[in-house]
Amino acid sequence: GDSVTQMEGPVTLSEEAFLTINCTYTATGYPSLFWYVQYPGEGLQLLLKATKADDKGSNKGFEATYRKETTSFHLEKGSVQVSDSAVYFCALSDLSGGSNYKLTFGKGTLLTVNP
Amino acid sequence: GAVVSQHPSRVICKSGTSVKIECRSLDFQATTMFWYRQFPKQSLMLMATSNEGSKATYEQGVEKDKFLINHASLTLSTLTVTSAHPEDSSFYICSARGTYRNEQFFGPGTRLTVL
Repeated sequence: GDSVTQMEGPVTLSEEAFLTINCTYTATGYPSLFWYVQYPGEGLQLLLKATKADDKGSNKGFEATYRKETTSFHLEKGSVQVSDSAVYFCALSDLSGGSNYKLTFGKGTLLTVNP
Repeated sequence: GAVVSQHPSRVICKSGTSVKIECRSLDFQATTMFWYRQFPKQSLMLMATSNEGSKATYEQGVEKDKFLINHASLTLSTLTVTSAHPEDSSFYICSARGTYRNEQFFGPGTRLTVL
């Protein structure tokens, strides 16, 4: 079945540091890939997505590129802020018929950014 | 657009009672709704998928008689935790997908505490 493996945290960075959170996946079909962010006590918000190979998703300074050859979708940001502190989830969605577009999540990576 | 609400945001109940959580799509018609459970510092576990007007499809290991799901309209799904016990304490999150969008929109979550 489908699965998502992401870098275990927690990750602690200083403000303006470079961020990378690794994510790899296994899927039988051609999934869409997502990064979600969860701030303390809240639900998930979609951060960015990519629907096909070589697509780059970007939002709020975060980027991730759908790499089919390495089955990866690593999240990067050039300069993190304290407000980026949250849990980040990598996920894939099976778009095959009958799947109801179920999401498969990684375990999440807690990011703490210190001033 | 694409806002999903949950009510209540927090609920505390006594062991043995039943609790109902509502999930509403506020500005779109949700043909499919998903219910997740999240334990502290862990990823989201899909509990069930519900399509409007039909019975929910439960994931393996989820008791359908304990977690009753009703998707009576295109904007409302409810999760009822019956005869709740302390081990049911968790963060429950719903998401909704519309007819023409390959994307799930998440509610803010409901924190259930069973005493």
